[in-house]
Amino acid sequence: DTGVSQNPRHKITKRGQNVTFRCDPISEHNRLYWYRQTLGQGPEFLTYFQNEAQLEKSRLLSDRFSAERPKGSFSTLEIQRTEQGDSAMYLCASSLGGPRNSHEQYFGPGTRLTVT
Amino acid sequence: GDSVTQMEGPVTLSEEAFLTINCTYTATGYPSLFWYVQYPGEGLQLLLKATKADDKGSNKGFEATYRKETTSFHLEKGSVQVSDSAVYFCALSQGAQKLVFGQGTRLTINP
Repeated sequence: DTGVSQNPRHKITKRGQNVTFRCDPISEHNRLYWYRQTLGQGPEFLTYFQNEAQLEKSRLLSDRFSAERPKGSFSTLEIQRTEQGDSAMYLCASSLGGPRNSHEQYFGPGTRLTVT
Repeated sequence: GDSVTQMEGPVTLSEEAFLTINCTYTATGYPSLFWYVQYPGEGLQLLLKATKADDKGSNKGFEATYRKETTSFHLEKGSVQVSDSAVYFCALSQGAQKLVFGQGTRLTINP
């Protein structure tokens, strides 16, 4: 068990460019979550998947944001036409869903996005 | 919607002091409650949890009790160490749904 991994760890981009982040969950976990954390604040929920199905999206997830989990394993989060307000730490978490499981979420190290 | 409110930081204590970080929540139903910790340069780690009223979560000398009557889940430790310096987040979830976090409390322990 190598834990949740995220790539890249840091991304600097110019305003208006598109960026894509990747998350690899713990291998047997069927649920995958994306959160965003700005400086001095707690993480805010963006979206989550059960297997390949995207079950909930936050109102924070504007139409410039899209997330996929095509084979129910890794996930990507894409931001199109980035804005300076998108600068944040993007966190991925995974959990083992199901009636007999604790649903504890395990977090990756995050991808820090800076939009200049 | 559901929400979590934590005591504002930063909190600075001396080593071996008693720690309390207050957390209250607003939620429909019966959420599960969590404390997560973020050490400098590291990702969020689950510290402890409680899934029903009057449950006590504990780990690494930290404790928190799920108090439904006061909608609280205060974090306590009897004797803090320098290595406890970190940001602490209180959070709730409804079943296997998203986590709702408080704003975090930065704790600094001086030797």
